[in-house]
Amino acid sequence: GQQLNQSPQSMFIQEGEDVSMNCTSSSIFNTWLWYKQDPGEGPVLLIALYKAGELTSNGRLTAQFGITRKDSFLNISASIPSDVGIYFCAGQLAGSQGNLIFGKGTKLSVKP
Amino acid sequence: GAVVSQHPSWVICKSGTSVKIECRSLDFQATTMFWYRQFPKQSLMLMATSNEGSKATYEQGVEKDKFLINHASLTLSTLTVTSAHPEDSSFYICSASPAGWSSYEQYFGPGTRLTVT
Repeated sequence: GQQLNQSPQSMFIQEGEDVSMNCTSSSIFNTWLWYKQDPGEGPVLLIALYKAGELTSNGRLTAQFGITRKDSFLNISASIPSDVGIYFCAGQLAGSQGNLIFGKGTKLSVKP
Repeated sequence: GAVVSQHPSWVICKSGTSVKIECRSLDFQATTMFWYRQFPKQSLMLMATSNEGSKATYEQGVEKDKFLINHASLTLSTLTVTSAHPEDSSFYICSASPAGWSSYEQYFGPGTRLTVT
């Protein structure tokens, strides 16, 4: 099936540092979504992207829909301890029925 | 807005029994609801897509007779795990897409931890 390659798999950073993660695919997507999941909880939608080249911010988070429509990245600036969690990208394939394809997640650890 | 609840948040049941999990959209109507399964340290695996008033569409490899899905209204979908076995123990998460929206945003419930003994 279709796959999203999400990297890095995990990150260990110091509080205050900036973070960057991305998702890539060989397929074209119409929508990119970024979620955060805390342990034992459901994913929470952070940012939704709908157009190639779109750059959207949500507080310290910024995400972009790649020009080729095959990738997206998420940046977190000035990380804080509560940023800890697993971040998932999800995409809706062009020409598909609408189901999302999820990346395998990036586990973020922040050292105070 | 766009809040989804799940009940129960956790359940322990004996092998051979059935368990029902409810998924509700609290402040919006959901034409489509999704059921996922998540194993520890892994991503979400889509089990089935349910549309209000019609039969659910199951992903390949998911037994429809074992995982019964009913989407009876625009705010409620249920997943029943029938004749549960220990290998069915997992974290089950539902999501919902608001009706009438042109986007594919999915809003997730908090999940249900199922343990089959």
